[in-house]
This record gives sequence, structure tokens and C-alpha cells, in this order.
Amino acid sequence: EPEVTQTPSHQVTQMGQEVILRCVPISNHLYFYWYRQILGQKVEFLVSFYNNEISEKSEIFDDQFSVERPDGSNFTLKIRSTKLEDSAMYFCASSPVGASGRGEQFFGPGTRLTVL
Amino acid sequence: DAKTTQPPSMDCAEGRAANLPCNHSTISGNEYVYWYRQIHSQGPQYIIHGLKNNETNEMASLIITEDRKSSTLILPHATLRDTAVYYCIAGYQKVTFGTGTKLQVIP
Repeated sequence: EPEVTQTPSHQVTQMGQEVILRCVPISNHLYFYWYRQILGQKVEFLVSFYNNEISEKSEIFDDQFSVERPDGSNFTLKIRSTKLEDSAMYFCASSPVGASGRGEQFFGPGTRLTVL
Repeated sequence: DAKTTQPPSMDCAEGRAANLPCNHSTISGNEYVYWYRQIHSQGPQYIIHGLKNNETNEMASLIITEDRKSSTLILPHATLRDTAVYYCIAGYQKVTFGTGTKLQVIP
């Protein structure tokens, strides 16, 4: 069964450093998403991406964040200058185009980002 | 997305049916009801969704009331592996997670 994959599973970085989190969505999906979950808190939407552009973003997704689909398979989230409060689990998700909205999303296992 | 209300926690005996309720009284006509679960710190897992009709798949059944103001997710024979936080979401364009129901399956 096709899956969303994410690398690395755990990333440790120093405050102020740039990090890139990588995701490979399910191959025939066209909508891509990033979410984050701070330990013990809710899963929070960051950004959705369709047709090579951002379709929606949350208030969390400020100028320090960017997304890219550099080739036909990868979908990346870049944090330009990490802060301590960026420490969280980051989940990538993808969904197929369908009549039933875009709520049928398939999530990856996550990347745990630790900012020291 | 419409607001949803779920009980914070529930217990279910192993092998019994788990019935998880959700209220979504402000749901609009084009919004679907989606159910996800999250086991420990894993990525959320899509379970099932529906618009008006009841739905069933290999994981669960979804019962939506005729007025669409509430729904119930049914896990027919709960196992210990079904212990998770279950999220009910009403929406169309995006998925907004609340705090969900923490289901504990007890041996």
C-alpha cells in the first residue's frame, strides 16, 4: 500500500540554523500539506500546496518558513532560522483530487525537530 | 470548518464495539465528516468520511444522523491496538484537528 515517507525521522539543530524537512507524498496525489504538533498539544495546520503554489497557510507559517516541490516526488519544508519554539513533530500529508473535499489526507510518520 | 464536540475520553472493553460520538451542529451542506486517529505520537491516520449516508470500510462504520448535526464512529470489535486519540472533523477544504477523544481499550 502506498505511503507518505518523511526524512529524517529526528533532526537536532542549533537555534538560528536552517533546517530542511523532506517528504515523499503518495505518487498520484496532487495536494500536499505540512502540519506540526508540539509535544502534548494539538496537530496544527501549517500550509497546503497545490499546482506548485501555496493554496493556504496558517498564521504559524511566517516568513521563516517556505515549501518547495523541487522535483516530481519530493516536497520540502524549510525553516530559515530555527527558534526554540519550533521544536515539534512535523507531519507531511497528501491527498488525492476527489469530489469528497480534501479532508481525506494521508500522513507520514513525522520528523521530530529538536532545536537547542 | 464547522466546530465539533467530542467527549475527552472513553473506555471500551477489548472485543466489544467502541462507539465514539461527535456533535457538529453547525455543519454546512457541503462539509464532510472525517474521522482520524492518532496512536501515541505517530502521524494521524485517516479512518473514514461521509457526507449524508452511513459509511463502512474495513476499519470502521460511520453513522451520520439525518439532520447531520451529529455522528458516531463505530469500531465493531475493539482491540488493544485501537487505543488512540480519535478526531472528528467537519470540513471540506482543509482538516482542522481539535483535542479529540482518547479511547482506551481495556483487556
